[in-house]
Amino acid sequence: DVKVTQSSRYLVKRTGEKVFLECVQDMDHENMFWYRQDPGLGLRLIYFSYDVKMKEKGDIPEGYSVSREKKERFSLILESASTNQTSMYLCASSLNTGSNQPQHFGDGTRLSIL
Amino acid sequence: AQSVTQLDSQVPVFEEAPVELRCNYSSSVSVYLFWYVQYPNQGLQLLLKYLSGSTLVKGINGFEAEFNKSQTSFHLRKPSVHISDTAEYFCAVSENGANNLFFGTGTRLTVIP
Repeated sequence: DVKVTQSSRYLVKRTGEKVFLECVQDMDHENMFWYRQDPGLGLRLIYFSYDVKMKEKGDIPEGYSVSREKKERFSLILESASTNQTSMYLCASSLNTGSNQPQHFGDGTRLSIL
Repeated sequence: AQSVTQLDSQVPVFEEAPVELRCNYSSSVSVYLFWYVQYPNQGLQLLLKYLSGSTLVKGINGFEAEFNKSQTSFHLRKPSVHISDTAEYFCAVSENGANNLFFGTGTRLTVIP
């Protein structure tokens, strides 16, 4: 089974801090994704990566950046956290660049910005 | 851009009753369709997927879904629900050739004892 591990289940940070959310997958998947999940809005794609050092903007990239230095690790960075970034963040991975590939999700990080 | 509509945000149903969760998508191009389930405080887990072939797809935990191209729908069904099915269910669509998944806003299924 694919294992996608997010480093923190719960995180509390202050406005203006730089925040790192880490995600690791153990199945040599090429694609990795970061979503945020908010009530009534479903999942919205922030960024995705289809290869090491490659990244693509999703639907809501503003205020976020990402880093993929190794194939198994995909980091989401909040450069200067704001209260409207309080949310559940979900990381996912998929095998390769095929639209028929299901995504495998981590358990999520619930981030609160005070 | 693709859009996915889950008309019912909440569905309460009694234990052992049947349930249908509705999903409609906008695109008429070739698509792949997925249903995911999210239990409390967990990530999303794949329930089933339609890639090609038979329009009736069977998934885990007794769920099934039917792809209807003319109505651009992919409704999820279970003939008899259990308490353990209480969760949020997400429909997702990808277009042939694209990497992205487009998600609906989710349907919260509550099974009442």
